[in-house]
Amino acid sequence: GNSVTQMEGPVTLSEEAFLTINCTYTATGYPSLFWYVQYPGEGLQLLLKATKADDKGSNKGFEATYRKETTSFHLEKGSVQVSDSAVYFCALSEGAGNMLTFGGGTRLMVKP
Amino acid sequence: DGGITQSPKYLFRKEGQNVTLSCEQNLNHDAMYWYRQDPGQGLRLIYYSQIVNDFQKGDIAEGYSVSREKKESFPLTVTSAQKNPTAFYLCASSTGSGTGVEGYTFGSGTRLTVV
Repeated sequence: GNSVTQMEGPVTLSEEAFLTINCTYTATGYPSLFWYVQYPGEGLQLLLKATKADDKGSNKGFEATYRKETTSFHLEKGSVQVSDSAVYFCALSEGAGNMLTFGGGTRLMVKP
Repeated sequence: DGGITQSPKYLFRKEGQNVTLSCEQNLNHDAMYWYRQDPGQGLRLIYYSQIVNDFQKGDIAEGYSVSREKKESFPLTVTSAQKNPTAFYLCASSTGSGTGVEGYTFGSGTRLTVV
């Protein structure tokens, strides 16, 4: 079956540091890949997505590239802010029906 | 604007009581989902529905029930059989029949506490 593995958190960074959150996946075909963000006490919001190999999703300074050869979709940001403190979920969707498989989430804490 | 609304935001339940969490969407989505999230944990699927009048159990359906009488609504009942119901509950929706590129739209969640 499909699965998504994320690096365990929490990830603690100082403001303006470079961020990488690793995400690797297992799927039988060619999934679409997503990153969601969850701020404290809220639901999940779609941050970015990529639907085919070598696509780069980007939003709010965050980027992730769909790497089929390494089955990865790592989230990066060049300079994090305190307001980026949240939990980040990687997810995949494969085929009709649109069911998402989520990773376990990675908590990011950014200190001033 | 289209969206998905969960209510109430906070809910308190006495032990032995059933409670119902509301989830309404005006996105014309076919599929709807309920997840449970415990502190510091990921998402666990409770129930999902891909079409009106039909739903399937997820990974942790015991102690929960749902109905899907209307496309817009997918209420979740937490029954007294659920031994540890204190958690954050998230509802989501999607096109359901798409090719998988759309992802989900989530509500803002309901925090249930047993008192």
